[in-house]
Amino acid sequence: IAGITQAPTSQILAAGRRMTLRCTQDMRHNAMYWYRQDLGLGLRLIHYSNTAGTTGKGEVPDGYSVSRANTDDFPLTLASAVPSQTSVYFCASRPGLITGELFFGEGSRLTVL
Amino acid sequence: AQSVSQHNHHVILSEAASLELGCNYSYGGTVNLFWYVQYPGQHLQLLLKYFSGDPLVKGIKGFEAEFIKSKFSFNLRKPSVQWSDTAEYFCAVNSPWGGSQGNLIFGKGTKLSVKP
Repeated sequence: IAGITQAPTSQILAAGRRMTLRCTQDMRHNAMYWYRQDLGLGLRLIHYSNTAGTTGKGEVPDGYSVSRANTDDFPLTLASAVPSQTSVYFCASRPGLITGELFFGEGSRLTVL
Repeated sequence: AQSVSQHNHHVILSEAASLELGCNYSYGGTVNLFWYVQYPGQHLQLLLKYFSGDPLVKGIKGFEAEFIKSKFSFNLRKPSVQWSDTAEYFCAVNSPWGGSQGNLIFGKGTKLSVKP
Protein backbone atom coordinates (compact mmCIF):
# COMPACT_ATOMS: atom_id res chain seq x y z
CA ILE A 1 0.00 0.00 0.00
CA ALA A 2 1.41 3.36 -1.03
CA GLY A 3 2.03 5.83 1.72
CA ILE A 4 4.45 7.16 4.30
CA THR A 5 6.49 4.95 6.59
CA GLN A 6 7.99 6.32 9.79
CA ALA A 7 10.46 4.60 12.08
CA PRO A 8 10.76 4.01 14.92
CA THR A 9 7.15 3.94 16.09
CA SER A 10 8.21 4.70 19.61
CA GLN A 11 11.53 5.43 21.32
CA ILE A 12 12.77 6.33 24.77
CA LEU A 13 15.99 8.30 24.66
CA ALA A 14 18.42 9.66 27.23
CA ALA A 15 19.03 13.39 27.14
CA GLY A 16 22.13 14.31 25.18
CA ARG A 17 21.86 11.37 22.79
CA ARG A 18 21.62 11.74 19.05
CA MET A 19 18.50 10.41 17.36
CA THR A 20 17.31 10.16 13.77
CA LEU A 21 13.66 9.65 12.91
CA ARG A 22 13.21 8.09 9.51
CA CYS A 23 10.54 8.92 6.97
CA THR A 24 10.05 7.30 3.58
CA GLN A 25 7.27 7.87 1.05
CA ASP A 26 6.56 5.93 -2.12
CA MET A 27 4.10 8.34 -3.71
CA ARG A 28 6.79 10.38 -5.50
CA HIS A 29 5.57 13.51 -3.77
CA ASN A 30 7.80 16.54 -4.16
CA ALA A 31 7.10 18.22 -0.82
CA MET A 32 7.74 16.67 2.57
CA TYR A 33 7.29 17.97 6.10
CA TRP A 34 8.04 17.22 9.72
CA TYR A 35 5.56 18.29 12.39
CA ARG A 36 5.56 17.80 16.13
CA GLN A 37 2.31 17.37 18.00
CA ASP A 38 2.02 18.45 21.62
CA LEU A 39 -1.03 18.53 23.86
CA GLY A 40 -2.79 21.86 23.60
CA LEU A 41 -0.43 23.16 20.92
CA GLY A 42 -1.65 21.25 17.89
CA LEU A 43 0.80 20.54 15.09
CA ARG A 44 3.80 22.75 14.61
CA LEU A 45 6.02 22.65 11.57
CA ILE A 46 9.67 21.83 12.27
CA HIS A 47 11.25 21.65 8.82
CA TYR A 48 10.07 21.22 5.27
CA SER A 49 11.42 20.31 1.86
CA ASN A 50 9.74 21.48 -1.32
CA THR A 51 11.79 19.19 -3.52
CA ALA A 52 14.79 16.88 -3.33
CA GLY A 53 17.94 18.81 -2.51
CA THR A 54 16.20 21.70 -0.73
CA THR A 55 15.07 22.20 2.85
CA GLY A 56 13.60 25.03 4.89
CA LYS A 57 12.89 25.96 8.49
CA GLY A 58 9.42 25.88 9.90
CA GLU A 59 7.98 27.33 13.06
CA VAL A 60 10.08 25.36 15.59
CA PRO A 61 13.36 24.32 13.93
CA ASP A 62 15.80 24.73 16.82
CA GLY A 63 17.49 21.51 17.87
CA TYR A 64 16.49 19.67 14.71
CA SER A 65 18.05 19.15 11.31
CA VAL A 66 16.85 17.48 8.12
CA SER A 67 18.21 16.38 4.80
CA ARG A 68 16.59 15.52 1.48
CA ALA A 69 19.05 13.57 -0.61
CA ASN A 70 16.32 12.03 -2.77
CA THR A 71 12.58 12.28 -3.35
CA ASP A 72 11.59 9.41 -1.09
CA ASP A 73 13.47 10.00 2.18
CA PHE A 74 13.32 12.86 4.65
CA PRO A 75 15.05 12.00 7.96
CA LEU A 76 14.81 14.24 11.01
CA THR A 77 17.81 14.36 13.34
CA LEU A 78 18.02 15.51 16.93
CA ALA A 79 21.72 16.16 17.45
CA SER A 80 21.55 16.25 21.25
CA ALA A 81 18.10 15.43 22.57
CA VAL A 82 16.53 17.44 25.40
CA PRO A 83 13.40 16.64 27.45
CA SER A 84 11.43 19.43 25.73
CA GLN A 85 11.70 17.42 22.53
CA THR A 86 9.47 14.75 24.02
CA SER A 87 6.62 14.71 21.53
CA VAL A 88 4.87 12.82 18.77
CA TYR A 89 6.48 13.49 15.44
CA PHE A 90 4.59 13.24 12.17
CA CYS A 91 6.09 13.14 8.73
CA ALA A 92 3.87 14.29 5.87
CA SER A 93 4.05 14.77 2.13
CA ARG A 94 2.06 16.21 -0.72
CA PRO A 95 2.42 16.28 -4.49
CA GLY A 96 2.94 20.04 -4.88
CA LEU A 97 2.80 23.35 -3.09
CA ILE A 98 -0.13 25.20 -4.56
CA THR A 99 -2.83 22.63 -4.04
CA GLY A 100 -3.04 19.17 -2.61
CA GLU A 101 -3.71 17.70 0.74
CA LEU A 102 -1.07 16.50 3.15
CA PHE A 103 -0.66 12.78 3.63
CA PHE A 104 0.59 11.82 7.08
CA GLY A 105 2.65 8.97 8.42
CA GLU A 106 1.64 7.03 11.51
CA GLY A 107 3.83 9.07 13.81
CA SER A 108 6.87 8.47 16.01
CA ARG A 109 6.44 8.88 19.74
CA LEU A 110 9.69 10.10 21.29
CA THR A 111 10.35 10.37 25.01
CA VAL A 112 13.52 12.12 26.15
CA LEU A 113 14.48 11.48 29.77
CA ALA B 1 2.03 35.72 9.60
CA GLN B 2 -0.90 33.46 9.10
CA SER B 3 -2.66 31.97 12.07
CA VAL B 4 -5.58 29.64 12.62
CA SER B 5 -7.89 29.82 15.62
CA GLN B 6 -10.15 27.02 16.75
CA HIS B 7 -12.62 28.33 19.25
CA ASN B 8 -13.30 25.23 21.31
CA HIS B 9 -10.69 23.13 23.03
CA HIS B 10 -13.03 20.31 24.04
CA VAL B 11 -16.61 19.68 22.96
CA ILE B 12 -18.79 17.01 24.58
CA LEU B 13 -21.97 15.91 22.81
CA SER B 14 -24.48 13.13 23.03
CA GLU B 15 -25.09 10.90 20.03
CA ALA B 16 -27.44 12.41 17.44
CA ALA B 17 -26.63 15.96 18.53
CA SER B 18 -25.59 18.45 15.89
CA LEU B 19 -21.98 19.60 15.69
CA GLU B 20 -20.38 22.86 14.70
CA LEU B 21 -16.68 23.50 15.26
CA GLY B 22 -15.40 26.98 14.65
CA CYS B 23 -12.30 27.91 12.69
CA ASN B 24 -11.01 31.35 11.83
CA TYR B 25 -7.85 32.26 9.97
CA SER B 26 -5.93 35.48 9.72
CA TYR B 27 -4.67 35.58 6.15
CA GLY B 28 -6.53 37.98 3.88
CA GLY B 29 -5.53 36.67 0.49
CA THR B 30 -6.36 33.56 -1.48
CA VAL B 31 -6.33 30.52 0.77
CA ASN B 32 -6.81 26.81 0.68
CA LEU B 33 -8.63 25.41 3.71
CA PHE B 34 -8.68 21.96 5.25
CA TRP B 35 -10.20 20.00 8.08
CA TYR B 36 -8.31 16.97 9.34
CA VAL B 37 -9.43 14.37 11.86
CA GLN B 38 -7.26 12.34 14.22
CA TYR B 39 -8.87 9.31 15.80
CA PRO B 40 -7.36 8.15 19.10
CA GLY B 41 -3.89 6.74 18.56
CA GLN B 42 -3.91 7.36 14.83
CA HIS B 43 -2.45 9.83 12.36
CA LEU B 44 -4.26 12.74 10.77
CA GLN B 45 -6.65 12.06 7.92
CA LEU B 46 -8.29 14.55 5.58
CA LEU B 47 -12.00 15.19 6.19
CA LEU B 48 -12.55 17.83 3.54
CA LYS B 49 -10.88 20.69 1.73
CA TYR B 50 -11.76 23.95 0.01
CA PHE B 51 -9.76 25.39 -2.86
CA SER B 52 -12.31 27.37 -4.88
CA GLY B 53 -15.89 27.31 -6.13
CA ASP B 54 -18.89 26.38 -4.01
CA PRO B 55 -18.16 27.62 -0.47
CA LEU B 56 -20.14 24.74 1.01
CA VAL B 57 -17.85 21.74 0.94
CA LYS B 58 -18.94 18.19 1.66
CA GLY B 59 -16.48 15.68 3.02
CA ILE B 60 -16.39 12.13 4.23
CA LYS B 61 -18.58 10.61 6.94
CA GLY B 62 -21.32 13.24 6.61
CA PHE B 63 -19.16 16.22 7.50
CA GLU B 64 -19.41 19.55 5.70
CA ALA B 65 -17.83 22.96 6.06
CA GLU B 66 -18.74 26.42 4.89
CA PHE B 67 -16.18 28.97 3.75
CA ILE B 68 -17.29 32.51 4.58
CA LYS B 69 -14.69 34.82 3.15
CA SER B 70 -16.04 37.97 4.82
CA LYS B 71 -15.71 36.34 8.22
CA PHE B 72 -12.42 34.53 7.51
CA SER B 73 -14.14 31.40 8.73
CA PHE B 74 -14.33 27.75 7.75
CA ASN B 75 -16.60 26.07 10.30
CA LEU B 76 -17.09 22.31 10.34
CA ARG B 77 -20.58 20.86 10.74
CA LYS B 78 -22.33 17.54 11.06
CA PRO B 79 -26.09 17.25 11.57
CA SER B 80 -25.98 14.17 13.78
CA VAL B 81 -22.81 12.89 15.44
CA GLN B 82 -22.04 9.29 16.29
CA TRP B 83 -19.90 7.78 19.01
CA SER B 84 -17.36 6.89 16.32
CA ASP B 85 -16.84 10.61 15.62
CA THR B 86 -14.95 10.89 18.91
CA ALA B 87 -11.62 12.32 17.77
CA GLU B 88 -9.57 15.47 17.58
CA TYR B 89 -10.31 17.84 14.71
CA PHE B 90 -7.80 20.23 13.19
CA CYS B 91 -8.43 23.15 10.89
CA ALA B 92 -5.57 24.12 8.58
CA VAL B 93 -4.90 26.85 6.07
CA ASN B 94 -2.28 27.55 3.46
CA SER B 95 -1.70 30.34 1.10
CA PRO B 96 -0.58 29.29 -2.35
CA TRP B 97 1.69 32.30 -2.42
CA GLY B 98 4.30 33.92 -0.32
CA GLY B 99 7.55 33.19 1.38
CA SER B 100 6.22 30.33 3.44
CA GLN B 101 5.99 28.30 0.26
CA GLY B 102 2.41 27.36 0.94
CA ASN B 103 3.07 25.44 4.13
CA LEU B 104 0.00 24.34 6.05
CA ILE B 105 -0.64 26.14 9.32
CA PHE B 106 -2.74 24.15 11.79
CA GLY B 107 -5.03 25.26 14.55
CA LYS B 108 -4.52 23.85 18.05
CA GLY B 109 -7.29 21.33 17.54
CA THR B 110 -10.69 20.64 19.06
CA LYS B 111 -11.26 17.41 20.92
CA LEU B 112 -14.72 15.98 20.36
CA SER B 113 -16.13 13.46 22.81
CA VAL B 114 -19.42 11.84 21.85
CA LYS B 115 -21.33 10.07 24.62
CA PRO B 116 -23.24 6.96 23.57
